[in-house]
Amino acid sequence: AQTVTQSQPEMSVQEAETVTLSCTYDTSESDYYLFWYKQPPSRQMILVIRQEAYKQQNATENRFSVNFQKAAKSFSLKISDSQLGDAAMYFCAYRTGKAAGNKLTFGGGTRVLVKP
Amino acid sequence: GAVVSQHPSWVICKSGTSVKIECRSLDFQATTMFWYRQFPKQSLMLMATSNEGSKATYEQGVEKDKFLINHASLTLSTLTVTSAHPEDSSFYICSARDMGPRVEQYFGPGTRLTVT
Repeated sequence: AQTVTQSQPEMSVQEAETVTLSCTYDTSESDYYLFWYKQPPSRQMILVIRQEAYKQQNATENRFSVNFQKAAKSFSLKISDSQLGDAAMYFCAYRTGKAAGNKLTFGGGTRVLVKP
Repeated sequence: GAVVSQHPSWVICKSGTSVKIECRSLDFQATTMFWYRQFPKQSLMLMATSNEGSKATYEQGVEKDKFLINHASLTLSTLTVTSAHPEDSSFYICSARDMGPRVEQYFGPGTRLTVT
């Protein structure tokens, strides 16, 4: 079974600075998807960014970018120019690439605090 | 687009009673819906996967007779917590995947259940 590990329970960042969240995963598959989700205090899960394992290029969405290291099974999220609204729980998630696969496996989460 | 709603957003019930939570995809057809449980300051734990018109697939350790899931249409899935006990108090989140090739899951806003 796949596992997702987030080793940082909490990270603090100064407004306008950059913070990097770590995520490692364990899988024997070669085709899969990785996601970062944000859960603000409202608890609504919001998709931040997605990475297909077959793509070598790291995904980027505005101030959010990932560093995908397939061989190392590492998938870190970088938040640039941090804003107060970025304060939230961030979850890394894995999904198999198999056609019948649907389930997301989540990491334990990292709480991001943004200091004004 | 891709909006998922949940009703109710919060519910308080007495021990021994049953409570039903609805999950609706508002602007797309969801062949697959997922039910998660989230304890305070913890990650999401997948409870079951439901496909329209068929029986739900429960994760190991989840009591099928206690957490009844029905996916009667392509836009509605329900979770019924039967004979609720205080330990069933939690935050329940549903998500849905559409019929197309996209692999994202779209999450509902969650339902807070308190059993007294």
